[in-house]
Amino acid sequence: ETGVTQTPRHLVMGMTNKKSLKCEQHLGHNAMYWYKQSAKKPLELMFVYSLEERVENNSVPSRFSPECPNSSHLFLHLHTLQPEDSALYLCASSQDPIAIPDGANVLTFGAGSRLTVL
Amino acid sequence: AQTVTQSQPEMSVQEAETVTLSCTYDTSESDYYLFWYKQPPSRQMILVIRQEAYKQQNATENRFSVNFQKAAKSFSLKISDSQLGDAAMYFCASWGSGGYQKVTFGTGTKLQVIP
Repeated sequence: ETGVTQTPRHLVMGMTNKKSLKCEQHLGHNAMYWYKQSAKKPLELMFVYSLEERVENNSVPSRFSPECPNSSHLFLHLHTLQPEDSALYLCASSQDPIAIPDGANVLTFGAGSRLTVL
Repeated sequence: AQTVTQSQPEMSVQEAETVTLSCTYDTSESDYYLFWYKQPPSRQMILVIRQEAYKQQNATENRFSVNFQKAAKSFSLKISDSQLGDAAMYFCASWGSGGYQKVTFGTGTKLQVIP
């Protein structure tokens, strides 16, 4: 596989469930990101990882717990979510999280995981 | 802080015609980049075009071009010879220097292409 792959494509969970979203990139990039996409709202950056180290956490509630075991994999662990957390969760990667987005150093996105919280 | 505003939630264009999507932005950065991303029904965001703020020449990529008005902080996308495959959500975005790649996105414009 190439690019950025996200699983599952769709997820329905109850508020008391625990589930995880998975992201894998096959591009040799050093940075990975989680974004939340809600209808009629701008994409919200949730977390940034650079070489497996979390470098950004944009005031995301603790019911979202990211994990980056290596530079190719990123997880978002979900626990005790609320209905308003229903959204499309997008994973992205880039070669370098600090350098200017020139040349090939731009965000490459996966197709997202559509989450519905009942 | 950066903000990106797309005031057109939906647009439509006849196949083979030209359409322009609007975007305005605000930033305190002197060095920044602007982007247009396309999100088709498959949901995967694809970079359409990128503009470096210090370049006065408008970026072009095949049928896609931008009108970058730096003083007005305007960054519109023109799609020429529209095709059915251009139907998608289009997001305007900006990146400012000085930190991790925190790209700020607008709310998107849904483009419908009419056969």
